[in-house]
Amino acid sequence: KQEVTQIPAALSVPEGENLVLNCSFTDSAIYNLQWFRQDPGKGLTSLLLIQSSQREQTSGRLNASLDKSSGRSTLYIAASQPGDSATYLCAVIWSNDYKLSFGAGTTVTVRA
Amino acid sequence: EAQVTQNPRYLITVTGKKLTVTCSQNMNHEYMSWYRQDPGLGLRQIYYSMNVEVTDKGDVPEGYKVSRKEKRNFPLILESPSPNQTSLYFCASSQTGDNQPQHFGDGTRLSIL
Repeated sequence: KQEVTQIPAALSVPEGENLVLNCSFTDSAIYNLQWFRQDPGKGLTSLLLIQSSQREQTSGRLNASLDKSSGRSTLYIAASQPGDSATYLCAVIWSNDYKLSFGAGTTVTVRA
Repeated sequence: EAQVTQNPRYLITVTGKKLTVTCSQNMNHEYMSWYRQDPGLGLRQIYYSMNVEVTDKGDVPEGYKVSRKEKRNFPLILESPSPNQTSLYFCASSQTGDNQPQHFGDGTRLSIL
């Protein structure tokens, strides 16, 4: 079964520390992988999208890597700030049927 | 402004009363999809559509219907809602073929009593 997993479910760090969020997926045949941010009671904001042919994407303090062979993606957030507190979700579109699967998310708290 | 619009944003209704949640996008996207988000279960895809008149089941399609008669609209229909369909629903759209990101609506919170 095609699944996406995010561990840990929750993470708390002091301000200024770098954040490392993990996403794993069970099938290497992916179309793309996307990282989202969700604030409580709100919708999803797209952060980064990595195509299946790419190894990483960067935007400001955010960097996402993709290793299809091992079924892993990592989202790095440099120099975390309290405003980074949110739930971070990864989602994979599978290349065989274009279904989209989400991980359960990692809820991040950045302490001032 | 590029956006995905869902209506209504909030709805409280009763078991068995048919309802439709509308979704419209103004970006000429081919791919549209519906998700439900439940505590402890995360976001799960209900249905998706690769283009007009093409729809496919996601992971949790039971109890839902969709249609894609026009490119911009992708309504979600609950013919006979039940309490286990109480959830937060999201619609999303994206361009296909160019690896474009998914754009999400603001969500619809449905409560079925």
